[in-house]
Amino acid sequence: DIQMTQSPSSLSASVGDRVTITCQASQDISNYLNWYQQKPGKAPKLLIYDASNLETGVPSRFSGSGSGTDFTFTISSLQPEDIATYYCQQYDNLVTFGPGTKVDIK
Amino acid sequence: QVQLVQSGAEVKKPGASVKVSCKASGYTFTSYDINWVRQATGQGLEWMGWMNPNSGNTGYAQKFQGRVTMTRNTSISTAYMELSSLRSEDTAVYYCARTLGATRYWGQGTLVTVSS
Repeated sequence: DIQMTQSPSSLSASVGDRVTITCQASQDISNYLNWYQQKPGKAPKLLIYDASNLETGVPSRFSGSGSGTDFTFTISSLQPEDIATYYCQQYDNLVTFGPGTKVDIK
Repeated sequence: QVQLVQSGAEVKKPGASVKVSCKASGYTFTSYDINWVRQATGQGLEWMGWMNPNSGNTGYAQKFQGRVTMTRNTSISTAYMELSSLRSEDTAVYYCARTLGATRYWGQGTLVTVSS
């Protein structure tokens, strides 16, 4: 099975800050990597698909990059409504989610 | 509009089985895989497996092999996930999700509580 790691597991940042989350796969997954946002009590929401493509309707402050084993998710200017947990997900070989990164406002 | 509507909450005893349904509407049911994902309270997302509603083909996470069965009834556009030999650690919200690479549509979730 492909293992996914994310770092940090949690972070606290100020409104307007740039926030970066990394995700690493245990083997090459090309660009078969998605990013989701989940708020408490809600289903996950797709933000970035295929590593770097912004889902329709998602604000442009969200972005993703990377390929192979190393990926990055960025919020260019953190907003209060971005408080959530963010998950990466590989789908190169079956599906695996990363453990999540909880983002708070400082 | 695409909708996935899941069955209601369940309470089961250890050792029992649970079967959760997921009724799809607003699209051609056989055109997209259905994945099942669960989440224990305060924990992360855990992928359980996928099913192709057209062929009935399935793929399960190793952790659930032998305990999970995913099926469908195409005449009513409904997918099912059955989990057997339940234990307390299976207490979680179970989601169905329509997937083609990425997952854009999710059911509302079904809480399964395993308790003696």
